[in-house]
Amino acid sequence: QVQLAQSGAVVKKPGSSVKVSCKTPGDTFKKNVFSWLRQAPGQAPEWIGGFNPIVQTTHRAVKFQYRLTVTMDEDLATGQMKLDSLTSDDTALYYCATVHGPLAGGMRGYFASWGQGTQVTVSS
Amino acid sequence: DIRVTQSPSSLAASIGDRITITCQASQDTHRFVSWYQHKPGKAPQLLIYATSTLHTGVPSRFRGTGSGTDFTLTIASLQPEDVATYYCQQYVDAPPTFGQGTRVEIK
Repeated sequence: QVQLAQSGAVVKKPGSSVKVSCKTPGDTFKKNVFSWLRQAPGQAPEWIGGFNPIVQTTHRAVKFQYRLTVTMDEDLATGQMKLDSLTSDDTALYYCATVHGPLAGGMRGYFASWGQGTQVTVSS
Repeated sequence: DIRVTQSPSSLAASIGDRITITCQASQDTHRFVSWYQHKPGKAPQLLIYATSTLHTGVPSRFRGTGSGTDFTLTIASLQPEDVATYYCQQYVDAPPTFGQGTRVEIK
């Protein structure tokens, strides 16, 4: 089980941006692939993007390709997502999770370890 | 994207009952299916991956079966701590997608 520590809850105005970070122990950062998912109340989890420190790649779901930025900092063993142009539909719990399986490098995997979640609320 | 249809959306059963949740994908997933348990206030927890492999520490009353497009999660003997929402997920194709969930309650 990989320990993932996420940044705290935030409230944002419509049209603004939000950053969420995910920190792992340094020795595990370059051994894992990570995804960002979100879950709105009463909804299923939704994959939004991810990052692969092993080969230094980032990924975004097509739905978010124009307003999601995914970055990683190996020195800090931290991944970060930035979502722009927020609307009330972006209100959700945002999670980082480790990705596993034979296809994990391409973000096609199952999620074994999850962060505690970051509540993002978009409200005027 | 691969669509994942899960049923039922909710169920209520008695302690000790056997319950079954089904999941149907819109195309062959080659057994790249996982199941999660989600309790309020907690992150989802992995139960099963690759259709039938139990994740570390998951009780043996949980069982996953299936192939192609049709998959099943069975809880052999429902326990009070199993009250949760359960999700299936396919990961044969990007983006990984989830079913809409099955809420399990005690009757």
